[in-house]
Amino acid sequence: GIQVEQSPPDLILQEGANSTLRCNFSDSVNNLQWFHQNPWGQLINLFYIPSGTKQNGRLSATTVATERYSLLYISSSQTTDSGVYFCAVQGGSEKLVFGKGTKLTVNP
Amino acid sequence: DAGVTQSPTHLIKTRGQHVTLRCSPISGHKSVSWYQQVLGQGPQFIFQYYEKEERGRGNFPDRFSARQFPNYSSELNVNALLLGDSALYLCASSPPYRASNEQFFGPGTRLTVL
Repeated sequence: GIQVEQSPPDLILQEGANSTLRCNFSDSVNNLQWFHQNPWGQLINLFYIPSGTKQNGRLSATTVATERYSLLYISSSQTTDSGVYFCAVQGGSEKLVFGKGTKLTVNP
Repeated sequence: DAGVTQSPTHLIKTRGQHVTLRCSPISGHKSVSWYQQVLGQGPQFIFQYYEKEERGRGNFPDRFSARQFPNYSSELNVNALLLGDSALYLCASSPPYRASNEQFFGPGTRLTVL
């Protein structure tokens, strides 16, 4: 089945710093989503981005489907950005396949 | 509009017992999927239902079963609970149109098996 790798596994930043999270996937996809999981376990939709570039405030994402990777950019990070960021993809089946996540800690 | 809702939020069971988890999708969504997330890992797909029919099944034993009701809500049942079934169980719904298969997740049910 399709494989998803996220990097880095852990990231520690000072408030105000910028960061880039990466997601590599092993096959063509028809769905790619980025999520932020808060400390209570809720998965919050950040982007639905099987291809192209999107921006939402301080966050933006780019998926290069032909090269099988996606990037999530966080600018001017805030302590509330802390948590685990997941990339998930959907290939030919109905299921979302998740990576192991990037744990982001933003210190004040 | 309300998001995906799940009940209960927390549950404690003992080994060998049975558990039923419930999920209500976003209004207008006809597809419901279930995922299991153990500590430190990403969610793993268990089932997907669309229009009350099973559309996909992950690599889980037959102790896990699910169904979808005419109002598109869903139940996940787990029999003969094992310690390893302790996890966060997430439900997701997605819109009825194929142009977007974006999935939206509920807050989860945290199951502890003692």
